[in-house]
Amino acid sequence: DVKVTQSSRYLVKRTGEKVFLECVQDMDHENMFWYRQDPGLGLRLIYFSYDVKMKEKGDIPEGYSVSREKKERFSLILESASTNQTSMYLCASSLGFRGSYNEQFFGPGTRLTVL
Amino acid sequence: EDQVTQSPEALRLQEGESSSLNCSYTVSGLRGLFWYRQDPGKGPEFLFTLYSAGEEKEKERLKATLTKKESFLHITAPKPEDSATYLCAVQVSGGYQKVTFGTGTKLQVIP
Repeated sequence: DVKVTQSSRYLVKRTGEKVFLECVQDMDHENMFWYRQDPGLGLRLIYFSYDVKMKEKGDIPEGYSVSREKKERFSLILESASTNQTSMYLCASSLGFRGSYNEQFFGPGTRLTVL
Repeated sequence: EDQVTQSPEALRLQEGESSSLNCSYTVSGLRGLFWYRQDPGKGPEFLFTLYSAGEEKEKERLKATLTKKESFLHITAPKPEDSATYLCAVQVSGGYQKVTFGTGTKLQVIP
């Protein structure tokens, strides 16, 4: 079974802090994704990566950056956390190569609260 | 712009009362449609992928179908453990692995 793990289930940070969310997948997947999920808005894509050191902006990249130094690990960085970044953050991975289609497998999520 | 709309937003069923959830989509070219189940406080769990109109997939009490404009998730004789939010997502042709998610249908099955 595919396993996607996230570094924290719950996180509380202060406004202005730099925040790192880590995601690791163990199935040698090419693609990795970061979403945020808010009530009434569904899942919104922040960034995705289709290869090591490659990244693409999603629908809401402002205020976020990402890093993928190794194939199995994808990090989301909040450079200066703000209260409107309080949300559930979900990491996902999928097998396929560019242009193919494959289901995404999700981690358990990180509930981030910014005070 | 690609759009995915799920209805109803919430559905309450008695145990054993069959029903269907709807996912309608407007995309430039469908490459794949995905159904997920999400329990409170957890990440979505993959259920099905549908690729072309007319295709059907089944898993226990769940059956997913696909037309050119919408997909249905049929739930037959549901049990309380089927209570969850069901998410639909579409992937369009020509892009990378990006998908667009609907906002989900929250299903509650009452004993």
